[in-house]
Amino acid sequence: DIQMTQSPYSLSAAVGDRVTITCRSSQNIDNYLNWYQQKPGQAPKVLIYGVSTLQSGVPSRFSGRGSGTDFTLTINSLEFGDVATYFCQQSYGRPPYTFGQGTKLEIK
Amino acid sequence: EAQLVESGGGLVQPGGSLRLSCAASGFTFNSHWMGWVRQAPRKGLEWVGNINPSGDDIQYVDSVKGRFTTSRDNARNSLHLQMNSLRVEDTAVYYCVRVEVAADNIWWFDPWGQGALVIVSS
Repeated sequence: DIQMTQSPYSLSAAVGDRVTITCRSSQNIDNYLNWYQQKPGQAPKVLIYGVSTLQSGVPSRFSGRGSGTDFTLTINSLEFGDVATYFCQQSYGRPPYTFGQGTKLEIK
Repeated sequence: EAQLVESGGGLVQPGGSLRLSCAASGFTFNSHWMGWVRQAPRKGLEWVGNINPSGDDIQYVDSVKGRFTTSRDNARNSLHLQMNSLRVEDTAVYYCVRVEVAADNIWWFDPWGQGALVIVSS
């Protein structure tokens, strides 16, 4: 099975800051990497699919990069509404289609 | 707008059974792979299984194989998850998800239902 490892586990940043979350896969997953945002008390929503394509309606403050085994989600100009847990997920090849353990983002 | 609504969650004793349903609307249900993702209390997300549009290609995570069965009724735009031999560790919110696919076969889950809580406890 492909293991997905996110870092950090949690982070706290100020409004206006730029934050970066890292996701590493245990083997090459090409560009089959998605990012989800789960706000408190809500179901997850897709932010980015295929490493870097923003889902319709997602602000351009969000961006994704990477390839192979190392990927990042960057949020520019952090807003209060970005408080959430962020998950990466690989959709490569055969199942299981695993998620990272999540990164909890808080505002200072 | 695509929408998914789960039902059927509840409290069940270990070894018991429960059936979740997911009502889909706002899209062509019989054209999409569908799936289930669960989230244990204060834990991360775990993919449970996917089913193809015709219902004859089904994938599961190893921990539920032989105990959980997913099926679909394309005439009624509904997805089901029959859960048997439930264990305490199956306690979770179960999300119904649609599989979206891009032209290059990149795929992801969107949208997600609101979730159905399943509690396995004596």
